[in-house]
Amino acid sequence: GQQVMQIPQYQHVQEGEDFTTYCNSSTTLSNIQWYKQRPGGHPVFLIQLVKSGEVKKQKRLTFQFGEAKKNSSLHITATQTTDVGTYFCAGPYESSGDKLTFGTGTRLAVRP
Amino acid sequence: DAGVIQSPRHEVTEMGQEVTLRCKPISGHDYLFWYRQTMMRGLELLIYFNNNVPIDDSGMPEDRFSAKMPNASFSTLKIQPSEPRDSAVYFCASSSMGGRTAGYTFGSGTRLTVV
Repeated sequence: GQQVMQIPQYQHVQEGEDFTTYCNSSTTLSNIQWYKQRPGGHPVFLIQLVKSGEVKKQKRLTFQFGEAKKNSSLHITATQTTDVGTYFCAGPYESSGDKLTFGTGTRLAVRP
Repeated sequence: DAGVIQSPRHEVTEMGQEVTLRCKPISGHDYLFWYRQTMMRGLELLIYFNNNVPIDDSGMPEDRFSAKMPNASFSTLKIQPSEPRDSAVYFCASSSMGGRTAGYTFGSGTRLTVV
């Protein structure tokens, strides 16, 4: 079936180090969305990318959407303890209408 | 706006009992989604509604699960009878335009434990 995989599953970094999570879909996505879920919390929408090759920035976070619209990445520069949580990518497949398929998630831990 | 409101926050029930989870979406959002989150299976879409009409229920695990949306401001997810493997966090989310064009706003979730 259609799957969205993320790597790594878990990463533990020292505060101030950079962090990247990669998202790969088995089929083309209409767009890619990123969500952050704090421990014990709920997913919170961060951003949506629509165009092939699109890059967007939010302060220390940089999001990319692949040329084939099957992969994406989130890069955090100089991590802070407030970045702790699980980051999910999600996208609607072109054939699946309005429903989002969520990736497997990458859990980020930050050592102060 | 108070966001998406779910109740209860926590539910502990015995196997075989009926469980009803409730959700109030953001006013004006035409789409409502029910997701289930477990460590093993991640975030799974159970069912979604557009303008109160169920559009896709292919993720509903079995006939023990049912969902309704009687009006634009209220939805329920019912499990009858409940089983221990139903233990999970259930999230409701709403969206103004669906996943093709807009992000989702999630509620705080209901943590269900079936013993």
